[in-house]
Amino acid sequence: QKEVEQDPGPLSVPEGAIVSLNCTYSNSAFQYFMWYRQYSRKGPELLMYTYSSGNKEDGRFTAQVDKSSKYISLFIRDSQPSDSATYLCAMIKAAGNKLTFGGGTRVLVKP
Amino acid sequence: GAGVSQTPSNKVTEKGKYVELRCDPISGHTALYWYRQSLGQGPEFLIYFQGTGAADDSGLPNDRFFAVRPEGSVSTLKIQRTERGDSAMYLCASSTGTSVLRDTQYFGPGTRLTVL
Repeated sequence: QKEVEQDPGPLSVPEGAIVSLNCTYSNSAFQYFMWYRQYSRKGPELLMYTYSSGNKEDGRFTAQVDKSSKYISLFIRDSQPSDSATYLCAMIKAAGNKLTFGGGTRVLVKP
Repeated sequence: GAGVSQTPSNKVTEKGKYVELRCDPISGHTALYWYRQSLGQGPEFLIYFQGTGAADDSGLPNDRFFAVRPEGSVSTLKIQRTERGDSAMYLCASSTGTSVLRDTQYFGPGTRLTVL
């Protein structure tokens, strides 16, 4: 079983809808959580970084972390066709340095 | 400013050949990471450099894989006796290295390796 699980999708939504993404993890040693966006044939780009349970908002993006449930979420409000990409959750253990990624969820926002 | 660059962008080779993949990190970044991403999967950690030394190489799959960073800047990932299973996107990332847990890792565009 993978340490970080993420539904591969694809997730198809109409423009303007809220996109809801999530990951679960099994190891409580993970303490720092990130969401990356990856366009086709490009490198991942950091969207959000959080290290405490609760919500963090940045523009149209909201990241949620629930350490007790080992569950993290990303919400994208007012989705645009340009948001169509693969979204990767990633996390780091408290004593570590390397990112452990989920498998990514492919999102398609239709005009 | 310039981001992380990787060359070549694409590399096609034959089974058994040797390949080198190059990464130029963001200027001043002391930490450098290599990841491998298979199609439809998330990136998987290979190796982490802090300065010139490999601080963590636990992700290298076997002794055919080796990476160097002799001057603490450019890094080269070397793969000997390539196998078809080595085909993947190889991603490089760099960070300031000042606070490993809080550093943002900035990724390059990757090198797509195809082993025929």
